[in-house]
Amino acid sequence: AQSVTQLGSHVSVSEGALVLLRCNYSSSVPPYLFWYVQYPNQGLQLLLKYTSAATLVKGINGFEAEFKKSETSFHLTKPSAHMSDAAEYFCAVRSSARQLTFGSGTQLTVLP
Amino acid sequence: ETGVTQTPRHLVMGMTNKKSLKCEQHLGHNAMYWYKQSAKKPLELMFVYNFKEQTENNSVPSRFSPECPNSSHLFLHLHTLQPEDSALYLCASSQGLPRESNTGELFFGEGSRLTVL
Repeated sequence: AQSVTQLGSHVSVSEGALVLLRCNYSSSVPPYLFWYVQYPNQGLQLLLKYTSAATLVKGINGFEAEFKKSETSFHLTKPSAHMSDAAEYFCAVRSSARQLTFGSGTQLTVLP
Repeated sequence: ETGVTQTPRHLVMGMTNKKSLKCEQHLGHNAMYWYKQSAKKPLELMFVYNFKEQTENNSVPSRFSPECPNSSHLFLHLHTLQPEDSALYLCASSQGLPRESNTGELFFGEGSRLTVL
């Protein structure tokens, strides 16, 4: 079985502050992990993915995520938030030949 | 043409109407998907097609009828929908079905916002 939990449906940060969006997964085998971003009235766009190579993964727009097997986590971070980062972020997991399972999403608000 | 294109972007229909959503992918992928995105719910996988053949139907009501004439096109035919079917319907594609040897990464369209009155 596989599942993903995103802690915090809403996160607010000030512009320039650290962004931390949390994702914990459950998988019976080593997983593939993804972060997607969805801007208003748009589809989902891939930010980054973990495919069992480096545990620290860098993505687009300055985001990165670290795979921690011992904590079953794949948290998304960005050192300095920008107003354009305001969007909904989805963590997703896939193990073996299964389809992707998505979390419920975290809405990020960036305050001026 | 960009990766995955969905039309229409917005659709309002009555419960007795028949309408269709269209998806086209220009990525050379073999697998296509329909997802439903409702407010405050995780994305729900509806249907999966691989090389035009349906490989998954996640207990979707028969008022939703998918059609995949080729690997580049996917339709969702809608008939006698209910107000609770109002949602954003997302189409996605991937190089192939998820296997141990590939990531199964999905490429999404911008979605069709459906409102059922």
